[in-house]
Amino acid sequence: GAGVSQSPSNKVTEKGKDVELRCDPISGHTALYWYRQRLGQGLEFLIYFQGNSAPDKSGLPSDRFSAERTGESVSTLTIQRTQQEDSAVYLCASSWVSGSGTEAFFGQGTRLTVV
Amino acid sequence: QQQVKQSPQSLIVQKGGISIINCAYENTAFDYFPWYQQFPGKGPALLIAIRPDVSEKKEGRFTISFNKSAKQFSLHIMDSQPGDSATYFCAGGSNDYKLSFGAGTTVTVRA
Repeated sequence: GAGVSQSPSNKVTEKGKDVELRCDPISGHTALYWYRQRLGQGLEFLIYFQGNSAPDKSGLPSDRFSAERTGESVSTLTIQRTQQEDSAVYLCASSWVSGSGTEAFFGQGTRLTVV
Repeated sequence: QQQVKQSPQSLIVQKGGISIINCAYENTAFDYFPWYQQFPGKGPALLIAIRPDVSEKKEGRFTISFNKSAKQFSLHIMDSQPGDSATYFCAGGSNDYKLSFGAGTTVTVRA
């Protein structure tokens, strides 16, 4: 596709359920990032992929959060046993290469609501 | 620990006026300072960026001013238009690829 695609656009889930959020990066982009955006706040870094490897998982809030990337393409962010504080917009971004100064292209995000 | 502090949280400006958003950073390793623009329901999009070796960068109606000694930088939107109404995020980045974002400023341009 022309841009970064995320699905679903919106997800409402019950507390305690697991959710999977999907990101399709721009074709050929080797670097992929997940950020979380809470209401009225800035973007919070979660995890970074270079190819299919995740050199930096330091932003994942807890062991309930995990992510994988396959085929140097699609990435899935999984949140287990969701909690109300997980409610946020989850944004995925990709770029040609990693490194300072490389423009990251963002998807439209997945709005997660935990009730 | 918030590495980039952004203000104001929101601002309203008349059409044709100047919008000014300020950011301050703490991490002296930052060597890349982008501004992102986000419309409701959309992901952020890169607007303009600067490196610390220059004090100002202008692209159309958008200008970044950078003060390395004060560890501050700002975005000026000249001749603000209703289509500029959006949320603006400043960020700092270094060789570790990670961007640290400010909390965002919602700009409303009144016609």
